[in-house]
Amino acid sequence: SAVISQKPSRDICQRGTSLTIQCQVDSQVTMMFWYRQQPGQSLTLIATANQGSEATYESGFVIDKFPISRPNLTFSTLTVSNMSPEDSSIYLCSVETAGSTNYGYTFGSGTRLTVV
Amino acid sequence: KQEVTQIPAALSVPEGENLVLNCSFTDSAIYNLQWFRQDPGKGLTSLLLIQSSQREQTSGRLNASLDKSSGRSTLYIAASQPGDSATYLCAVRPTSGTYKYIFGTGTRLKVLA
Repeated sequence: SAVISQKPSRDICQRGTSLTIQCQVDSQVTMMFWYRQQPGQSLTLIATANQGSEATYESGFVIDKFPISRPNLTFSTLTVSNMSPEDSSIYLCSVETAGSTNYGYTFGSGTRLTVV
Repeated sequence: KQEVTQIPAALSVPEGENLVLNCSFTDSAIYNLQWFRQDPGKGLTSLLLIQSSQREQTSGRLNASLDKSSGRSTLYIAASQPGDSATYLCAVRPTSGTYKYIFGTGTRLKVLA
């Protein structure tokens, strides 16, 4: 399965600033997914990033707040803009990987964001 | 609308005990179901992936079963160890043409030494 390098692993940021999270995959993948996990909650899909086109955002998430780049088939970034304490969460990138007989999701190691 | 539920939300067991984690989903039209482990503040590690045509998958001390018709999956952990302490999440992929996984809320497991 694919290996994803995600960074930073954690950060503490001032409100009103922005943070960019990077994910590098060791193989080419068509779609990359960005999730948010608020404290004590399960995962919520923010958007799907396709190479060469704009990301597709889920309900409740907008490009101005969470701009995404996907310059090639192995890399993507998510920016959390104009942060507030409510943005404190774990942010995760993910890809779908194909094995010999099945498909599954592989996740990065996560970015733990605290906004103060 | 597919909903995924995990019971119990939290579980504490003594070391060496065999245990079962439960995952229920409301719509049996799934492509596959995947179990993950998440350590505090970290990403998700895939444990087992079960295709809709399969009944179970095994990896080491872990065994996952799938009963699609009843909308249930179980994760069996044999001879639990303190290192198994983590949150366990299940996720289903619907067959409705979407690639989006739907996650359960997780079971927080603590294995006491």
